[in-house]
Amino acid sequence: NAGVMQNPRHLVRRRGQEARLRCSPMKGHSHVYWYRQLPEEGLKFMVYLQKENIIDESGMPKERFSAEFPKEGPSILRIQQVVRGDSAAYFCASSLSGTGGTGELFFGEGSRLTVL
Amino acid sequence: QQQVKQSPQSLIVQKGGISIINCAYENTAFDYFPWYQQFPGKGPALLIAIRPDVSEKKEGRFTISFNKSAKQFSLHIMDSQPGDSATYFCAVSSGGYQKVTFGIGTKLQVIP
Repeated sequence: NAGVMQNPRHLVRRRGQEARLRCSPMKGHSHVYWYRQLPEEGLKFMVYLQKENIIDESGMPKERFSAEFPKEGPSILRIQQVVRGDSAAYFCASSLSGTGGTGELFFGEGSRLTVL
Repeated sequence: QQQVKQSPQSLIVQKGGISIINCAYENTAFDYFPWYQQFPGKGPALLIAIRPDVSEKKEGRFTISFNKSAKQFSLHIMDSQPGDSATYFCAVSSGGYQKVTFGIGTKLQVIP
């Protein structure tokens, strides 16, 4: 399967713990996007990364959240000291090109975070 | 500030009927208008997309109508089927880079 792979699919954390969500883009894609989905709120953009660079993090909360996309390995979304409000589905998407092109994003199946 | 407003939030349609979902945007810099379909427990997938140089695009039972002057676009699903039951998101982006901003979503239920 050459699609966008996210893991874990489900993650349970207690308040104050850390959550790490991983995303491997489609083969050949070097642009990664993270979105958060809350019930009744649709998909909210968080961050756009290229290999080793954060291009746009305008949707990322200023504290506790960070993202990276290293030269080797998957993209990581890290949430420190989780709170109940962080409970959501986190989707990763990748694209072939960051500009122009078809504009199509290919999404993974999401990581569902539950904070107890 | 919502960059794209989508309505209705939920929609029930009889099998064989037409489903219509509407979206409106403000920023005239947007030049790419995709619709994504999401089934429960899955990620969204691109359904159909349009650029502002055309007023309509049809793919099978799915049609996008685009009104540039009104800054509105809509998705029409003809002959709706129970298998079309899903959440549909309109979205916008500009050519600078592919940051896609989504509407709130419409949960469509097609009943037999």
